[in-house]
Amino acid sequence: EAGVTQFPSHSVIEKGQTVTLRCDPISGHDNLYWYRRVMGKEIKFLLHFVKESKQDESGMPNNRFLAERTGGTYSTLKVQPAELEDSGVYFCASSLGLAGEKVYFGPGTRLTVT
Amino acid sequence: RKEVEQDPGPFNVPEGATVAFNCTYSNSASQSFFWYRQDCRKEPKLLMSVYSSGNEDGRFTAQLNRASQYISLLIRDSKLSDSATYLCVVNRPGTYKYIFGTGTRLKVLA
Repeated sequence: EAGVTQFPSHSVIEKGQTVTLRCDPISGHDNLYWYRRVMGKEIKFLLHFVKESKQDESGMPNNRFLAERTGGTYSTLKVQPAELEDSGVYFCASSLGLAGEKVYFGPGTRLTVT
Repeated sequence: RKEVEQDPGPFNVPEGATVAFNCTYSNSASQSFFWYRQDCRKEPKLLMSVYSSGNEDGRFTAQLNRASQYISLLIRDSKLSDSATYLCVVNRPGTYKYIFGTGTRLKVLA
């Protein structure tokens, strides 16, 4: 069974540019999450989709971040315009259905804003 | 106070040693607890869930102490391949949100 996949694995952009990260969850997983690890800090929750609906976006830093999951399959996370403090590793994760059950993480996208 | 706290380490132990990590959590209503393992520049991978009764998987034993609000991970007979960062993860009650600790770095030395 394929795991969670993310694209790109690395992205280096200049401040003010736009970047779009993509996540393909495990097939059949309705729950999709985005997390982020900023250098030296713990991994932090950004938001949670159930199918195509945003269930919880309380972790989104500000309105420069936009996540979508059209059709309830893959998801994109767009950062526009990117700032230096957005640098970090963005992890996508997915799970089947119930709160507290196993969550599987993707390999992450390492974003560097210069 | 952070919701989930771990000693960042590093813990440097010789092969074959037994090592234990603790993690404390602040929300007494938390119900789901996990240990994840993260290798350098890789994604977190689930090592084991932590149950109230304690659970064991080979050389790994996880325990939960609700009264003191901590969970622990014991690794026996450490292998070089156990070198990694061990993340304590707690599910925030009533949500699907995972709260991560900063991780504890383990280095097993030959």
